Amino acid sequence: EAGVAQSPRYKIIEKRQSVAFWCNPISGHATLYWYQQILGQGPKLLIQFQNNGVVDDSQLPKDRFSAERLKGVDSTLKIQPAKLEDSAVYLCASSSGIVAGTDTQYFGPGTRLTVL
Amino acid sequence: EDKVVQSPLSLVVHEGDTVTLNCSYEVTNFRSLLWYKQEKKAPTFLFMLTSSGIEKKSGRLSSILDKKELFSILNITATQTGDSAIYLCAVSTGTASKLTFGTGTRLQVTL
Repeated sequence: EAGVAQSPRYKIIEKRQSVAFWCNPISGHATLYWYQQILGQGPKLLIQFQNNGVVDDSQLPKDRFSAERLKGVDSTLKIQPAKLEDSAVYLCASSSGIVAGTDTQYFGPGTRLTVL
Repeated sequence: EDKVVQSPLSLVVHEGDTVTLNCSYEVTNFRSLLWYKQEKKAPTFLFMLTSSGIEKKSGRLSSILDKKELFSILNITATQTGDSAIYLCAVSTGTASKLTFGTGTRLQVTL
């Protein structure tokens, strides 16, 4: 079974530029998550999708971050404009969405973003 | 606000030692506790614990949950250099399986 795919693996941009990350979840997984992991910290949930609907985006900085999952499969996370403090690893995860509350999340390899 | 605290923050041991990693939590609407291993890439799933007192075991790794005292431990016996990684504890809350992570314990196993 193929795992969660993400691209690109690395990205370096200047502040105020825009950037987009792509994620393809495990086949058949209804739930998709985007996390931000700053160096030395645990991952922090940015947004959670169930199929193509948003379940939780309470920690997404909506003035600069946006995410979509239009067809309920792959997803894109965008930052515009980027700030220095956005430097982090952006992790995508997916889960089956079948077992409420005890659903195991499987993570992709992440995108390491450096903002100069 | 949901909170997950791991200790120690980092640990250096010799190959063959046994280590115990700790995770305590204060959350609303607890559903499960998960352990992940993170090397240079994605966190990889180790265990999910939902019931108190039932040990989960996989090879040299084991974990147990205490829902009364709100903590879990992860044990690694006969450590190997390949166990060197960051171990993340996360708590799932609510029906949407929202995960709140701790900051992780960085384990280094030396020869």
